[in-house]
Amino acid sequence: AQSVTQLGSHVSVSEGALVLLRCNYSSSVPPYLFWYVQYPNQGLQLLLKYTTGATLVKGINGFEAEFKKSETSFHLTKPSAHMSDAAEYFCAVKKGSSASKIIFGSGTRLSIRP
Amino acid sequence: EAGVTQFPSHSVIEKGQTVTLRCDPISGHDNLYWYRRVMGKEIKFLLHFVKESKQDESGMPNNRFLAERTGGTYSTLKVQPAELEDSGVYFCASSQVQISGNTIYFGEGSWLTVV
Repeated sequence: AQSVTQLGSHVSVSEGALVLLRCNYSSSVPPYLFWYVQYPNQGLQLLLKYTTGATLVKGINGFEAEFKKSETSFHLTKPSAHMSDAAEYFCAVKKGSSASKIIFGSGTRLSIRP
Repeated sequence: EAGVTQFPSHSVIEKGQTVTLRCDPISGHDNLYWYRRVMGKEIKFLLHFVKESKQDESGMPNNRFLAERTGGTYSTLKVQPAELEDSGVYFCASSQVQISGNTIYFGEGSWLTVV
C-alpha cells in the first residue's frame, strides 16, 4: 500500500527565504511522486512530478524536489520565497506506471511573511 | 485543449436535499477519478472509473453517494440525501497513460455547502 506523510501542517517563512516542505512516502512498488498546490479558492495544480530517471525534478514557479529512495523522501524546495507562493501544498504518491489512484498527504499550508 | 471541467463550481443546499456534481474529463482520457476534501482535511480518494467501469470504489463513504459514468465520457456524483458532513470540495481528475504519461489532471473542484 502507498501512503504519504507531510511533516508540518503549517510552515511560515520570510519573503526571500528558503522554502522547504517535507514529504516522506511509503510504497510497496516503485512510486511515482507528485507535488500539487492549491491556491485559495482554486483547484489543484501540478507543481512537479517524479516518475523515473533524474532524481532532481524541477517544476513550475521555481520549485524543485529531490527523490531520495534511501530516505523515502521527496521534499519540496524553493530558494527564495515570494508572497505569491502562499498556498497549500500536497505531496502525493501512486503505484508507478499503473493507472491507479493518487494518495495524498495531509497538506502543508505555506505562509509568507513580508 | 480543454482541461477537466466540473459543474457546478459552487452549490449550497439544505440537509436532506440532493445534489448532482458533473465532471467532464480531458478528451481521450479513459481514467476518471473523484476525490473530496472535507472541512479542510486531507484530500481523500472516492473512486476510479476506467471508461464506464468502476475500477476502484473503495473510498466511497456510504450509500448516499452514487457515481456514474454512462458511455465512458462524463461522470456524475450524486449525494442523496446530503448531510452536513458532506460539505467540502469535490475534485474530479482524469488521466490516460498513453497520452499524458500517467499525469493525473485535476479540475477546479465543486464546492459544496450543506446547511
